[in-house]
Amino acid sequence: TQLLEQSPQFLSIQEGENLTVYCNSSSVFSSLQWYRQEPGEGPVLLVTVVTGGEVKKLKRLTFQFGDARKDSSLHITAAQPGDTGLYLCAGGGGSNYKLTFGKGTLLTVNP
Amino acid sequence: DARVTQTPRHKVTEMGQEVTMRCQPILGHNTVFWYRQTMMQGLELLAYFRNRAPLDDSGMPKDRFSAEMPDTTLATLKIQPSEPRDSAVYFCASSTTGSSHQPQHFGDGTRLSIL
Repeated sequence: TQLLEQSPQFLSIQEGENLTVYCNSSSVFSSLQWYRQEPGEGPVLLVTVVTGGEVKKLKRLTFQFGDARKDSSLHITAAQPGDTGLYLCAGGGGSNYKLTFGKGTLLTVNP
Repeated sequence: DARVTQTPRHKVTEMGQEVTMRCQPILGHNTVFWYRQTMMQGLELLAYFRNRAPLDDSGMPKDRFSAEMPDTTLATLKIQPSEPRDSAVYFCASSTTGSSHQPQHFGDGTRLSIL
């Protein structure tokens, strides 16, 4: 069974601070997706990374896939209250349609 | 923007009652997923379909849960009889054909409370 561990579980910071959240596994994934979920809504895809060592940027968010494709990180620069939400990572096995989700990091950015 | 639609958004019922949750996937998406989300377990995959055929329902308690796709525009998840431990948010997601590299588009969920 493939498992994804996300850390920290909870993070509360002030507006303007930087932060990094992590997604780790002992298994290799062919792809890694990051989703953000807001209260009362479903998760929404932020990014997909597929190549070991790949770095993708989405405005103030930087996503990195580990060289061995077992881990990933999400870095947010100058966090804003609008970044508040549950950040979920999900690992994919390629031709298999299934994604394995981590339990998420609940981020609160205080004004 | 096209969206996955789930109904009802909320459901409160007594244990032992039948519960039916419905999902309309995005038009043109042929892969549909059912997930359950709880604080303790996070998002768990219950079942998924491709071209209306069930590919995997190993995550689903088969004695009380059933999932079907009567047509390409409707997926259903039924619980009979329901139990308090089934209380959770149930999400449907859809995707285009292909691999797990493809994004999954989630509905806003059905929040189920079994009393």
